[in-house]
Amino acid sequence: EAGVTQFPSHSVIEKGQTVTLRCDPISGHDNLYWYRRVMGKEIKFLLHFVKESKQDESGMPNNRFLAERTGGTYSTLKVQPAELEDSGVYFCASSHLLGGGELFFGEGSRLTVL
Amino acid sequence: QKEVEQDPGPLSVPEGAIVSLNCTYSNSAFQYFMWYRQYSRKGPELLMYTYSSGNKEDGRFTAQVDKSSKYISLFIRDSQPSDSATYLCAMSLYNFNKFYFGSGTKLNVKP
Repeated sequence: EAGVTQFPSHSVIEKGQTVTLRCDPISGHDNLYWYRRVMGKEIKFLLHFVKESKQDESGMPNNRFLAERTGGTYSTLKVQPAELEDSGVYFCASSHLLGGGELFFGEGSRLTVL
Repeated sequence: QKEVEQDPGPLSVPEGAIVSLNCTYSNSAFQYFMWYRQYSRKGPELLMYTYSSGNKEDGRFTAQVDKSSKYISLFIRDSQPSDSATYLCAMSLYNFNKFYFGSGTKLNVKP
């Protein structure tokens, strides 16, 4: 069974540009989460989808971030326009609807904003 | 105040040692407690998952939760060089809507 896959693994962009990160969860996982780790800090929650619905987006930093999960399968996280403080590693995780605390993480997308 | 506090280490021990990793938290509503292991440039992977106070054992790993003290621990017995990684504690409310992570403790087990 394929795990959670994220693309790209590393993106380097300039301030003001746009970046779109993609996450393909494990097949059949209704829960999909985005998390972010900035340098030296803890992994922080961004948002949670159940199927295609946003269950909780309280962690999204501001309106420059837009997450979608059309059709309840893969998800995208767009940052537009990117700022220096957006640099970090963006993790996607998925779980079964009743999977409880068992999150399956992707390897992360490292974003560097210059 | 952070929701979850975790000593970042690094923690360096000789092979075979018993390792103790700890986290404290401030929100008494947390009900589920997890330990994740993260190797360099990889995503975190679930090690242990507990609910409520008490101990849970899985092979060389024991997770302990003390809700009265808001303190959780992970013990690793007979540590191996392959255990060298960053260990993250994580906690959730009853609905698993959101997980709160510690900053991670980097462990190095020397052969």
